[in-house]
Amino acid sequence: GAVVSQHPSRVICKSGTSVKIECRSLDFQATTMFWYRQFPKQSLMLMATSNEGSKATYEQGVEKDKFLINHASLTLSTLTVTSAHPEDSSFYICSAKTVNTEAFFGQGTRLTVV
Amino acid sequence: RKEVEQDPGPFNVPEGATVAFNCTYSNSASQSFFWYRQDCRKEPKLLMSVYSSGNEDGRFTAQLNRASQYISLLIRDSKLSDSATYLCVAERPGTYKYIFGTGTRLKVLA
Repeated sequence: GAVVSQHPSRVICKSGTSVKIECRSLDFQATTMFWYRQFPKQSLMLMATSNEGSKATYEQGVEKDKFLINHASLTLSTLTVTSAHPEDSSFYICSAKTVNTEAFFGQGTRLTVV
Repeated sequence: RKEVEQDPGPFNVPEGATVAFNCTYSNSASQSFFWYRQDCRKEPKLLMSVYSSGNEDGRFTAQLNRASQYISLLIRDSKLSDSATYLCVAERPGTYKYIFGTGTRLKVLA
């Protein structure tokens, strides 16, 4: 299957700082990328949908000013968690797809805010 | 009502057993459904897509019942390596957005 690379896989940051997570589709051009968050023992919750060259659309209850998404090209989307707090600690996962394929997932980023 | 609902389990079964999971979805217009497998602290991996006619891949069989709005996954001859969380996914109509159920945890015991 297609490869989606997410970086970093793990990050620890201090409360109040910002963290950027990258999601790249390595062998295909993704029309759409998605960002999910997963808390322990819970399911993946869709945060936002990202299309290249346009603004991301956020799910209800997700703060767009806190979770900044940039989709600069058909192979790269970034999620920046701004002014991170301990409650933002979670597993963040991206996925990418084209029109005629299923979604392929990145390896996930485990964020710990201390 | 949640868009996708699953029994969280855990289902503890002996090796060799047959186990079935069900999942219900709320949007009758949904067209695409999937089962993903997620191992602890890892990303989900596609197990199989679910088609109206049902589909089988080795020991795994998935079925869709549109009238009752549920999908199922049957695992035959369970292996220890099948232990994982199985996530039911429905695509929100017209959006390409995947909506995940809470996942059903399976433990296959020796």
